[in-house]
Amino acid sequence: AQTVTQSQPEMSVQEAETVTLSCTYDTSENNYYLFWYKQPPSRQMILVIRQEAYKQQNATENRFSVNFQKAAKSFSLKISDSQLGDTAMYFCAFMYHSGGSNYKLTFGKGTLLTVNP
Amino acid sequence: DAMVIQNPRYQVTQFGKPVTLSCSQTLNHNVMYWYQQKSSQAPKLLFHYYDKDFNNEADTPDNFQSRRPNTSFCFLDIRSPGLGDAAMYLCATSREAGSGQPQHFGDGTRLSIL
Repeated sequence: AQTVTQSQPEMSVQEAETVTLSCTYDTSENNYYLFWYKQPPSRQMILVIRQEAYKQQNATENRFSVNFQKAAKSFSLKISDSQLGDTAMYFCAFMYHSGGSNYKLTFGKGTLLTVNP
Repeated sequence: DAMVIQNPRYQVTQFGKPVTLSCSQTLNHNVMYWYQQKSSQAPKLLFHYYDKDFNNEADTPDNFQSRRPNTSFCFLDIRSPGLGDAAMYLCATSREAGSGQPQHFGDGTRLSIL
């Protein structure tokens, strides 16, 4: 079974500072994809960043970057220059081929990030 | 803007009274998903449609059904809601089922059971 673990239920950071959210996963798959999704309070879940497991280069999207360590099965998210609008629940997610045409997205339990002014 | 739209945002129903949640998309994506998200928990996949091909998760209760009459619309039917079915229900779409295609989510429907 594929599992995703986010060990930090809640975190806080001061505006303009940098914060890192941790995520580990367990799988026997070799080909898979990893995602970070953001879910602001009472708003829709949106994709933050995506990583392909076969790519060694860490994905980057503006202020968001990941540290992907495939051997350690670790996929942390770094948010630089934190902004008040970054306050949200962040979910780490793992996508793998579950058979036939099925690709399953498994989410971690989430980390609630609060950015303080 | 192309998007995933869920109606209504809030739904209240009575214990045991059937309820239908709707989802529409303007993205013309092949795959549509329904997730259940309980308070402070991760979204849990209930089922998905790849085009007209329905895929049910093994642990999805029989109480939950889905319909996809066309590419744009997908419905979640709860035949006899129990108190434990109170949750946020998220609809999502993706262009294809694999190749790491990201999923695009709607705002969700929060279901309350009286």
